[in-house]
Amino acid sequence: DIVMTQTPLSSPVTLGQPASISCKSSQSLVHPNGNTYLTWLHQRPGQPPRLLIYRISNRFSGVPDRFSGSGAGTDFTLRISRVEAEDVGVYYCMQATHFPWTFGQGTKVEIK
Amino acid sequence: QVQLVESGGGVVQPGRSLRLSCSGSGFTFSRYGMHWVRQAPGKGLEWVAVVSNDGSEKYYAGSVQGRFTVSRDDSKNTLYLQMNSLGDGDTAVYYCTRGGTPYFDFWGQGTLVTVSS
Repeated sequence: DIVMTQTPLSSPVTLGQPASISCKSSQSLVHPNGNTYLTWLHQRPGQPPRLLIYRISNRFSGVPDRFSGSGAGTDFTLRISRVEAEDVGVYYCMQATHFPWTFGQGTKVEIK
Repeated sequence: QVQLVESGGGVVQPGRSLRLSCSGSGFTFSRYGMHWVRQAPGKGLEWVAVVSNDGSEKYYAGSVQGRFTVSRDDSKNTLYLQMNSLGDGDTAVYYCTRGGTPYFDFWGQGTLVTVSS
């Protein structure tokens, strides 16, 4: 199975400041069709996850443009340009290139 | 609007079985692959299974392979997860979520399965 490793696991941030989460996969996530199925999700306490970004860098409908994704191959990054209070929670990367699909451990973002 | 509603969770003894359901509305259910994802209490997300839009392809996580079966009934807009030989490690909130492009765009609120004697 593909192992997804996120760093950091916890990220205290100041409101209005940027935040960044790294996600590394144990194998390349480039699918034979040329796409890279790397997704970012956000989960607030007591809520189901919600989709933020798919295929590395595509923001899902309604996701603020302060969220951006980048990367290629095995190394990926989620950036929040200016953290807002509603951004707290746990962020997960997930690969959907190889079965079984696998998630990272999650990164908890909290306000300092 | 798209809605996914899970049901069927509860407390079950180790070794017993349980069937979860996920009812979809607000979209053409038969056009989408559908997934189950679970989350143990206080833990991260674990992908469990997927069934393709026509039901012909199914894939499972290794931790449930051979014990869980995913299926769908498009006439009822419903996704199922038959869970057999349940163990402590299966205690979790089980979410259904939609496939397609992009996948995981909509999620249900989840149903809690507790395996306990």
